[in-house]
Amino acid sequence: AQKITQTQPGMFVQEKEAVTLDCTYDTSDQSYGLFWYKQPSSGEMIFLIYQGSYDEQNATEGRYSLNFQKARKSANLVISASQLGDSAMYFCAMREEGTGTASKLTFGTGTRLQVTL
Amino acid sequence: KAGVTQTPRYLIKTRGQQVTLSCSPISGHRSVSWYQQTPGQGLQFLFEYFSETQRNKGNFPGRFSGRQFSNSRSEMNVSTLELGDSALYLCASSPGQGLIYEQYFGPGTRLTVT
Repeated sequence: AQKITQTQPGMFVQEKEAVTLDCTYDTSDQSYGLFWYKQPSSGEMIFLIYQGSYDEQNATEGRYSLNFQKARKSANLVISASQLGDSAMYFCAMREEGTGTASKLTFGTGTRLQVTL
Repeated sequence: KAGVTQTPRYLIKTRGQQVTLSCSPISGHRSVSWYQQTPGQGLQFLFEYFSETQRNKGNFPGRFSGRQFSNSRSEMNVSTLELGDSALYLCASSPGQGLIYEQYFGPGTRLTVT
């Protein structure tokens, strides 16, 4: 079974508008971490935001916020005031406590975001 | 502070050859992980090193191996290359192990096997 599901292969958003990228996850661990990364065409993965399973508040980092709904096992990324430079692939990823202290990240298939004028 | 560096950035090899990729983590980071990214399989975890010890390994054949040196620099080696090994290989470093530590990725090495 897929551990991380991103159902939107591609999204379009107009500049200055907000956009939500969906992510659902599957785990039986009580303790886990959720991450979002941005991958421009250059290939480098850029860390955006982190949410811990025990965090009560939704994480925010500048224009990025994570809409964490634990009961629904969803961790959607919200980008406010989109900019042309936001055009990239976006990956949702999870690290589970069951992997011990290892740093293994399990990634979703990604969503390609295109910001238009 | 310098980011994660990977060398070489691009590589073309022939089937049957072997290849070594290098990764230098962010200064002070002791954990280094490797991932393979292909259009078909997406991003897949290869292995993770912490303090020169392999702590976790993904589901890859034994042709894929790695090591970490005392200065935290890491190398991965792929022997007897196959066409399917063509991929972007990403290295990531982290200041520690555990759920809360984000991983900082390098620019990747794009390997093409012909």
